[in-house]
Amino acid sequence: GAVVSQHPSRVICKSGTSVKIECRSLDFQATTMFWYRQFPKQSLMLMATSNEGSKATYEQGVEKDKFLINHASLTLSTLTVTSAHPEDSSFYICSARDSMNQPQHFGDGTRLSIL
Amino acid sequence: SQQGEEDPQALSIQEGENATMNCSYKTSINNLQWYRQNSGRGLVHLILIRSNEREKHSGRLRVTLDTSKKSSSLLITASRAADTASYFCATASYNFNKFYFGSGTKLNVKP
Repeated sequence: GAVVSQHPSRVICKSGTSVKIECRSLDFQATTMFWYRQFPKQSLMLMATSNEGSKATYEQGVEKDKFLINHASLTLSTLTVTSAHPEDSSFYICSARDSMNQPQHFGDGTRLSIL
Repeated sequence: SQQGEEDPQALSIQEGENATMNCSYKTSINNLQWYRQNSGRGLVHLILIRSNEREKHSGRLRVTLDTSKKSSSLLITASRAADTASYFCATASYNFNKFYFGSGTKLNVKP
């Protein structure tokens, strides 16, 4: 089945650090990738949608300068949390799909902890 | 949640019993999908039902969709302890490029 690899799985760093999270589709071409944020015991909140080769579309309330998304190839999207602060601590999950009307395939998530 | 609500929020049953979870959503959709999430992990796709479908089966899973009521249900029959997880519905918008999750149901199956 379709596999999405997300890396790293866990990040602990100091406030002010920028953190990059990678999301790769291993055995299919991901025309669209999604980034989600999940707080403890809550649902996934869609942060942004990215299509290969174009700018990401951010959800209302998500700062595009804070959460930089790059989808430069059909198999890789990156989320960079710039100048991270403790309130950015969360579980970040990416997903990818190869075409519309197909299921999304999820990475295993990245737990980000900012001290 | 960004799209809708699921109920119950938590469900605890004995192994062998059936588990039913409901999902309501707010906008018109093209399809609705159910996912499972084990604690601290990513999501696993379970089943997709299109807006022109009313019922779908996959193994021990049965999903229904009522677009007039903007609701869906997931039934897990003959539950097992390994089914313990959180279950989320997610809706794909008409233009396919928005994908929102419900609030989730935390299922605990006691052995």
